[in-house]
Amino acid sequence: SAVISQKPSRDICQRGTSLTIQCQVDSQVTMMFWYRQQPGQSLTLIATANQGSEATYESGFVIDKFPISRPNLTFSTLTVSNMSPEDSSIYLCSVARGGEHNEQFFGPGTRLTVL
Amino acid sequence: GESVGLHLPTLSVQEGDNSIINCAYSNSASDYFIWYKQESGKGPQFIIDIRSNMDKRQGQRVTVLLNKTVKHLSLQIAATQPGDSAVYFCAENSGGSNYKLTFGKGTLLTVNP
Repeated sequence: SAVISQKPSRDICQRGTSLTIQCQVDSQVTMMFWYRQQPGQSLTLIATANQGSEATYESGFVIDKFPISRPNLTFSTLTVSNMSPEDSSIYLCSVARGGEHNEQFFGPGTRLTVL
Repeated sequence: GESVGLHLPTLSVQEGDNSIINCAYSNSASDYFIWYKQESGKGPQFIIDIRSNMDKRQGQRVTVLLNKTVKHLSLQIAATQPGDSAVYFCAENSGGSNYKLTFGKGTLLTVNP
């Protein structure tokens, strides 16, 4: 499995500000994803981070609120923009090698609290 | 929309017992399933997966069973240990070039010493 790190591991932010979360993988991967996990809830896919092109967002998530970058095959960022307390969640990146390998592995998550 | 759900939100077992965690899915097009374990303060950890052309797959102390007829997935943990205490999620994928996962609600497993 891939080794995935996220920065920051946690943060407390003021409403109206933005936070950029980084996801770094120790090997090249085809697919990278960003998920949100609200307190006590399951995981919801925000978007697929596409290398060299715009991310693909799921219903209910928009680029203006959650801009994503993926400059290469080992790194991606997710920005949570103009934050409100409702954005308090764990944000997780995941990776899949692609091809016949559907296995998806997750980073440790970023715990965000918005005051 | 279609979703993946769980029968039991919590499960409490004695150390050494076998645990069974269940999951129902509704997307008949799903052909790949994964079980994850999430400990407090950590990201989901891959446990075991199964493709729809199989009905059983075994790992170390874990077995996943897939019943496509009733769209049911289960995770069996043998000789459950305190370290197995966590939330367990099932996730489904419709396959092809789409690697997106849809997660179930999760079951909290508590192992009593």
